[in-house]
Amino acid sequence: DAKTTQPPSMDCAEGRAANLPCNHSTISGNEYVYWYRQIHSQGPQYIIHGLKNNETNEMASLIITEDRKSSTLILPHATLRDTAVYYCIALSGSARQLTFGSGTQLTVLP
Amino acid sequence: IAGITQAPTSQILAAGRRMTLRCTQDMRHNAMYWYRQDLGLGLRLIHYSNTAGTTGKGEVPDGYSVSRANTDDFPLTLASAVPSQTSVYFCASSESSESSYNEQFFGPGTRLTVL
Repeated sequence: DAKTTQPPSMDCAEGRAANLPCNHSTISGNEYVYWYRQIHSQGPQYIIHGLKNNETNEMASLIITEDRKSSTLILPHATLRDTAVYYCIALSGSARQLTFGSGTQLTVLP
Repeated sequence: IAGITQAPTSQILAAGRRMTLRCTQDMRHNAMYWYRQDLGLGLRLIHYSNTAGTTGKGEVPDGYSVSRANTDDFPLTLASAVPSQTSVYFCASSESSESSYNEQFFGPGTRLTVL
């Protein structure tokens, strides 16, 4: 799996968009970018994934740069319940193991 | 049942005792996984199962065993618990481990303390 780099922490005002960056400069062509989050004391939760194109679902949007060396997870209207550690992972489709790095602690402020 | 359930929620166990952590999913997912999460070490895969009747070793399998007799259940057994197995254990499942959609659904976790 390609190494990913994320800022250790970010703050966001409630109701505003939260933009979480991730660098994955060594990502290979068959590796997808996955985003998970973990709210304190809960199990990790899948958010979204993509390969080349931007993706959107009911939780978030994923913007992947054209060279695929970085991506941004966007929570369009952050709420207090979005406070969590967010993990960006690059792995191939056949990978069996999710390996979480340190992630970004997002704190949504009232 | 909706999703993945794990039992017990937490457990304090004397060293040397045998313990089975239970995991059940109702999504008919083929693949299931056991992870442990320790502070500063992130999530580490213990064992996995691609489909009922098959299992495989992950990154940290020593001291643990699993079985997959059916699609829904994937118990994790500690034959003789040691203090280094103190951790939070997460069970997860996905539709298929061989597809590009590695979307894993996690249970709420079991907090295990071995004294």
